[in-house]
Amino acid sequence: GAVVSQHPSWVICKSGTSVKIECRSLDFQATTMFWYRQFPKQSLMLMATSNEGSKATYEQGVEKDKFLINHASLTLSTLTVTSAHPEDSSFYICSARRDWNNEQFFGPGTRLTVL
Amino acid sequence: GNSVTQMEGPVTLSEEAFLTINCTYTATGYPSLFWYVQYPGEGLQLLLKATKADDKGSNKGFEATYRKETTSFHLEKGSVQVSDSAVYFCALSGTGANSKLTFGKGITLSVRP
Repeated sequence: GAVVSQHPSWVICKSGTSVKIECRSLDFQATTMFWYRQFPKQSLMLMATSNEGSKATYEQGVEKDKFLINHASLTLSTLTVTSAHPEDSSFYICSARRDWNNEQFFGPGTRLTVL
Repeated sequence: GNSVTQMEGPVTLSEEAFLTINCTYTATGYPSLFWYVQYPGEGLQLLLKATKADDKGSNKGFEATYRKETTSFHLEKGSVQVSDSAVYFCALSGTGANSKLTFGKGITLSVRP
């Protein structure tokens, strides 16, 4: 149990296009999900906290108009990278916090490459 | 704010060697402490955790003890295997339902046969 999936696992896009990444909790409800960015050989940087039914809370320095987050249900959050540029290339990881005990489970990540 | 400091890596060990990965933290109140592991090409997995001072988390032969007096949560394993090769992250979370995880930089462990 407690599985979090991400789709797609990797994506290559052209500069200027938008990319949507899905994060799903497959067997539990998660009112809160988190989006992280991981650069090569570096730690995870929290980008935003996604709350079902309300606006996401963004960390300082993260552009909310560039990284659109929608948490439409208790099992799905999406991150849309708008007008992507090469500097947005990174590994994006989501986690879902299980409602009944607050334990967090991580997705496998999405590798985004912007050409 | 909260922060986690891990020892610099990478670390390369021979199979069956003893492993210690240092982790210290700065936090207000009484955080929970975690070790996560990321195998090549995979997402993070919780390895072990401790929620209060003097607690010892353990899993798969790994152990870490929550030391409030030294604000540390060092990871140890008595005999590493090749399959333990991965990136290890120390992390903490504050108290309450709105707590967020703060991660250390991670350290890459390579175990050679």
